[in-house]
Amino acid sequence: AQSVAQPEDQVNVAEGNPLTVKCTYSVSGNPYLFWYVQYPNRGLQFLLKYITGDNLVKGSYGFEAEFNKSQTSFHLKKPSALVSDSALYFCAVRPYSGSARQLTFGSGTQLTVLP
Amino acid sequence: GAVVSQHPSRVICKSGTSVKIECRSLDFQATTMFWYRQFPKQSLMLMATSNEGSKATYEQGVEKDKFLINHASLTLSTLTVTSAHPEDSSFYICSAPRSRGPTSYEQYFGPGTRLTVT
Repeated sequence: AQSVAQPEDQVNVAEGNPLTVKCTYSVSGNPYLFWYVQYPNRGLQFLLKYITGDNLVKGSYGFEAEFNKSQTSFHLKKPSALVSDSALYFCAVRPYSGSARQLTFGSGTQLTVLP
Repeated sequence: GAVVSQHPSRVICKSGTSVKIECRSLDFQATTMFWYRQFPKQSLMLMATSNEGSKATYEQGVEKDKFLINHASLTLSTLTVTSAHPEDSSFYICSAPRSRGPTSYEQYFGPGTRLTVT
């Protein structure tokens, strides 16, 4: 069975500073990894995904994530945080191959960017 | 880009009544849709997989007679919460995968429906 761990419930960072939101995963075979962002009372918005290829993936709103196979991690990063980045972030995984299409989500990390 | 809509966005109902939530894929066909439930400040929990033309597949612990799912067409899935109780109050989100090839797809999420049972 696949699983995702987001070890931090809350991350606080000052505006302009770099941010990192951590994610580790467990899946049979190669992973298909995602990051989503959720604003209050809204659905999930896609940020970026890793399928294969370059380990550094660039996504929406200046976010990027680095796939590290040896550490089974897919941490979300941004060089300079904005107050508007404050939201709930979810990491998700599914196996790259196979018929299962549903995603398994991490528990979420609340990011607060302080002005 | 692909869009998934949900209706209604918010609903308040009395205990014992039933509520129907619609999930539509607006510019693509979805043979499969997923229904999630989210409690405040918690992750999404998959409730069921809705399959066009066949029965839904429910996750362990989800009552299929309470959460009725109908995938009536390639663009519409409905979730009906029957005999709702206050503990059914939650944020319900649907999603639909759009194929990008044999082994990849994009999954698009609806904006969610806030259900409050009084």
